[in-house]
Amino acid sequence: GAGVSQSPSNKVTEKGKDVELRCDPISGHTALYWYRQSLGQGLEFLIYFQGNSAPDKSGLPSDRFSAERTGGSVSTLTIQRTQQEDSAVYLCASSLGSGINFQQYFGPGTRLTVT
Amino acid sequence: AQTVTQSQPEMSVQEAETVTLSCTYDTSENNYYLFWYKQPPSRQMILVIRQEAYKQQNATENRFSVNFQKAAKSFSLKISDSQLGDTAMYFCAFMKHETDDMRFGAGTRLTVKP
Repeated sequence: GAGVSQSPSNKVTEKGKDVELRCDPISGHTALYWYRQSLGQGLEFLIYFQGNSAPDKSGLPSDRFSAERTGGSVSTLTIQRTQQEDSAVYLCASSLGSGINFQQYFGPGTRLTVT
Repeated sequence: AQTVTQSQPEMSVQEAETVTLSCTYDTSENNYYLFWYKQPPSRQMILVIRQEAYKQQNATENRFSVNFQKAAKSFSLKISDSQLGDTAMYFCAFMKHETDDMRFGAGTRLTVKP
């Protein structure tokens, strides 16, 4: 596809269940990012991948959150034992280029609602 | 770690007037890049303007300009002749030189009133 895609677009889950969110970056983009945006709030950095490795996992809110990226492409963000405070829009972005030519391309997000 | 602070959660401006959104950041780096992104209700993030820290000249893009004060670690966005379509969340972002590690501020919700 031409842009970053994320699935599902919406997910409603019961408290305590596990969820998996998927991100398909733009083909060839080496860097991939996950952010969380709570209703009307700012962007909270979660994790960033350079290729398949994650140089910085410091943004993950708790050990219930994990992410992986395989083949330098698709990434999944997993939230175990979901809590109501996990409800948010989860945004994925990918990028190519560096320096002043750097630009992130964002996906449409996955809206997660934990009931 | 770098932090980006946007101290104005919400702002409003009358159509055709000028508004300035504030952003400060904390870093020990000398070379870096700063960005302003716009997120309209569609949720799509749009790059508005970017600035290289080693350039003293402030970046401009049509009605959008920045006031970059490196010593003060300040990077404000000025929107001139505000239009209704400028209504959005605006995020300030920081990236270290020669990395892909981008960090965002909490955002400022701007409403342009007719």
